[in-house]
Amino acid sequence: DGGITQSPKYLFRKEGQNVTLSCEQNLNHDAMYWYRQDPGQGLRLIYYSQIVNDFQKGDIAEGYSVSREKKESFPLTVTSAQKNPTAFYLCASSPDGYNEQFFGPGTRLTVL
Amino acid sequence: GQSLEQPSEVTAVEGAIVQINCTYQTSGFYGLSWYQQHDGGAPTFLSYNALDGLEETGRFSSFLSRSDSYGYLLLQELQMKDSASYFCAVRVADSNYQLIWGAGTKLIIKP
Repeated sequence: DGGITQSPKYLFRKEGQNVTLSCEQNLNHDAMYWYRQDPGQGLRLIYYSQIVNDFQKGDIAEGYSVSREKKESFPLTVTSAQKNPTAFYLCASSPDGYNEQFFGPGTRLTVL
Repeated sequence: GQSLEQPSEVTAVEGAIVQINCTYQTSGFYGLSWYQQHDGGAPTFLSYNALDGLEETGRFSSFLSRSDSYGYLLLQELQMKDSASYFCAVRVADSNYQLIWGAGTKLIIKP
């Protein structure tokens, strides 16, 4: 079955530690995205990538980093520089960056 | 700046019809999308309007008026499973591959 997978579903980390969230898609989509969602809020774009080896900052990129070495994979690293990292992180992909985005199940990160 | 406005919460009765509005202020406009998100889940795509008018997909319809910078999602024959948050999102001309998202409307359905 085609889709987007994110792992793990729940993640706990101590303050000051970097953590990497996984996002894999087998939909052969060119565009991939990372969003952050806080309780009762909409989605805020962290980073997006239109093609392998290229990515752009979104509205809240500070304290985060990404890589796009393979078409299928777009991992997000939450660094210790991110002031308030506890949130629900959603990865999405799109065939060509237009219109419909397909989302993974999300990773809920809690920093203690 | 770019902004989307939608009500934070709407309550309706099972079997009824409900309309969720979205107004936007953006620099350039390509189209308006609607997504559904159940608690703890991921958003799923519902509809997309690029041109004025009504698009119907089963019990859900979406409307767009570009001249009024306004759209709505219409849900008919409400079922308890429709209880979720609904987000409007706009693709704007100067954001290449990005969507601008509203804060979401929580739809509460009562039996």
